[in-house]
Amino acid sequence: LAKTTQPISMDSYEGQEVNITCSHNNIATNDYITWYQQFPSQGPRFIIQGYKTKVTNEVASLFIPADRKSSTLSLPRVSLSDTAVYYCLVGDPADMNYGGSQGNLIFGKGTKLSVKP
Amino acid sequence: GAVVSQHPSRVICKSGTSVKIECRSLDFQATTMFWYRQFPKQSLMLMATSNEGSKATYEQGVEKDKFLINHASLTLSTLTVTSAHPEDSSFYICSARGSRASYEQYFGPGTRLTVT
Repeated sequence: LAKTTQPISMDSYEGQEVNITCSHNNIATNDYITWYQQFPSQGPRFIIQGYKTKVTNEVASLFIPADRKSSTLSLPRVSLSDTAVYYCLVGDPADMNYGGSQGNLIFGKGTKLSVKP
Repeated sequence: GAVVSQHPSRVICKSGTSVKIECRSLDFQATTMFWYRQFPKQSLMLMATSNEGSKATYEQGVEKDKFLINHASLTLSTLTVTSAHPEDSSFYICSARGSRASYEQYFGPGTRLTVT
């Protein structure tokens, strides 16, 4: 059962780059790494997903080393609106139960990012 | 991206009554939907997984007779909290995924349930 470990909280200032690292030592061969963002009283929002090396989209970058035992979400030039909880999840998207505990897509405690002016 | 809606967004009910929460996939067919519960300052906890046309699979510790889930169509799943009690007050979030090949899981905006 893939399990993730993230820092509980991080502080940053506007305009800085923020890197949040997630450990997933027992990630399985078919597992992908997905990051979600959640604002208070809202459902999680998909940020980025990757399998290996580097993935970049208009919002963030995801760095995954060769052993895949960890991953780093990079948010360039954060703003106050990036204050949220960020969750790292691992799971096999081809699993019919992907999203549920049977598919090993379990929400950990997440990282609460606070961006200050 | 795909959109998942929930209704109502907020509901207040009296202890002992039942409340139904709807989860809809607006622009895609959801073969699988998930229901989560989130207490203040805590992470999402999966309650159950539902596949269209079949019975939901509940996580350990979740009472299936109290939290009734119906996934009657590919775009609608409902969660009914029966005989609600104040300890059921929480933020309920649904999510949906489309085909097996879909690599994304889309979350609804959540429903805040308060039982008085």
